[in-house]
Amino acid sequence: RKEVEQDPGPFNVPEGATVAFNCTYSNSASQSFFWYRQDCRKEPKLLMSVYSSGNEDGRFTAQLNRASQYISLLIRDSKLSDSATYLCVVIHNAGGTSYGKLTFGQGTILTVHP
Amino acid sequence: DTGVSQNPRHKITKRGQNVTFRCDPISEHNRLYWYRQTLGQGPEFLTYFQNEAQLEKSRLLSDRFSAERPKGSFSTLEIQRTEQGDSAMYLCASSLMYSSYNEQFFGPGTRLTVL
Repeated sequence: RKEVEQDPGPFNVPEGATVAFNCTYSNSASQSFFWYRQDCRKEPKLLMSVYSSGNEDGRFTAQLNRASQYISLLIRDSKLSDSATYLCVVIHNAGGTSYGKLTFGQGTILTVHP
Repeated sequence: DTGVSQNPRHKITKRGQNVTFRCDPISEHNRLYWYRQTLGQGPEFLTYFQNEAQLEKSRLLSDRFSAERPKGSFSTLEIQRTEQGDSAMYLCASSLMYSSYNEQFFGPGTRLTVL
């Protein structure tokens, strides 16, 4: 079983749609959670951190459920420019030591069409 | 540009040859990571440096792979006797050790093709 699992999609949605991505992680010692965005043939870039209380950044809302080991990302009012791969990312606390190494999911491909 | 830079951006080599990639992190960042990404997958961790010390290596990093960060600034990743399975995007990332958000900044990557 992969440490971080995502539905690879692709998700094809019209402009203005609301789309949600889900992610599960297997290591209960995971301590930090993020969504990264990766455009085609580009490097990953941090989209937002994810907190237990949930957090929102404009049209983007992230949620974390530690009990279910589940992370979500909601995008409202989708724009053409939102088309990208969205990577679910966790940092584990391995034996009390965390060097901040990122464990990525496979990524979910989103295409927003006119 | 003060971001993470990587060279070369593309490398095509024949099986069995050695290749070396370079990463220049953001200047004040003391943490440096190497990841590998294959098509359709997320990046996978390879190794981590804190300043010049290599503190963690993934099991993915076979004996043919070696990484250095001699002065705690730039880093090199060398692959000896390349195999076709080494074809991938090699990504370097850097961060500040005490950054509250643990944000890692990625370079544009080096795309390796082994023929």
